[in-house]
Amino acid sequence: AQSVTQPDIHITVSEGASLELRCNYSYGATPYLFWYVQSPGQGLQLLLKYFSGDTLVQGIKGFEAEFKRSQSSFNLRKPSVHWSDAAEYFCAVGLTDSWGKLQFGAGTQVVVTP
Amino acid sequence: DSGVTQTPKHLITATGQRVTLRCSPRSGDLSVYWYQQSLDQGLQFLIQYYNGEERAKGNILERFSAQQFPDLHSELNLSSLELGDSALYFCASSAGEDEQFFGPGTRLTVL
Repeated sequence: AQSVTQPDIHITVSEGASLELRCNYSYGATPYLFWYVQSPGQGLQLLLKYFSGDTLVQGIKGFEAEFKRSQSSFNLRKPSVHWSDAAEYFCAVGLTDSWGKLQFGAGTQVVVTP
Repeated sequence: DSGVTQTPKHLITATGQRVTLRCSPRSGDLSVYWYQQSLDQGLQFLIQYYNGEERAKGNILERFSAQQFPDLHSELNLSSLELGDSALYFCASSAGEDEQFFGPGTRLTVL
């Protein structure tokens, strides 16, 4: 079955430390890949996307993600987190034949400690 | 601000009732999408419209329906409401096969 997995429900990180959020997908073909962030009481904001080409993608707010076809993964990273990065992060997948029908992972809640 | 607007922000209603959620896409975007976010189901795609036509359907209940009007705004109609329909409903829009811009959501509470 097609699925998007975010193995970590909750991550706590110290301000200034690095952050990596994991995302794995299970689809027959390479899908379109997205990372969204949701702050409390807010809608979803796109951090970055991968359609094709360079497998290392740069996004907004200092985030980057790397697509690894062999591992069916699209992990999100940030070298140094800020307190404002505390939020919930969602990985999403769109298929090339129905790309608009995004399938989201369960989300990872990130808590940033001083 | 994504440019996508949703009204109302909050809606409280009773079981068995019917409500309408409204979405105005970003200027120029032809596609509108509806998603439901609940604690038990997470974020789920409901339905997509493109320039007034239904383009894709997800896990949308038969009690739910949507439409996109000539001015491109969209409405999601939820009827015979149940407690389990309480959720955050998001609308998103896109210009084409590109990123989706999400609105702030409508929080529906069914009592």
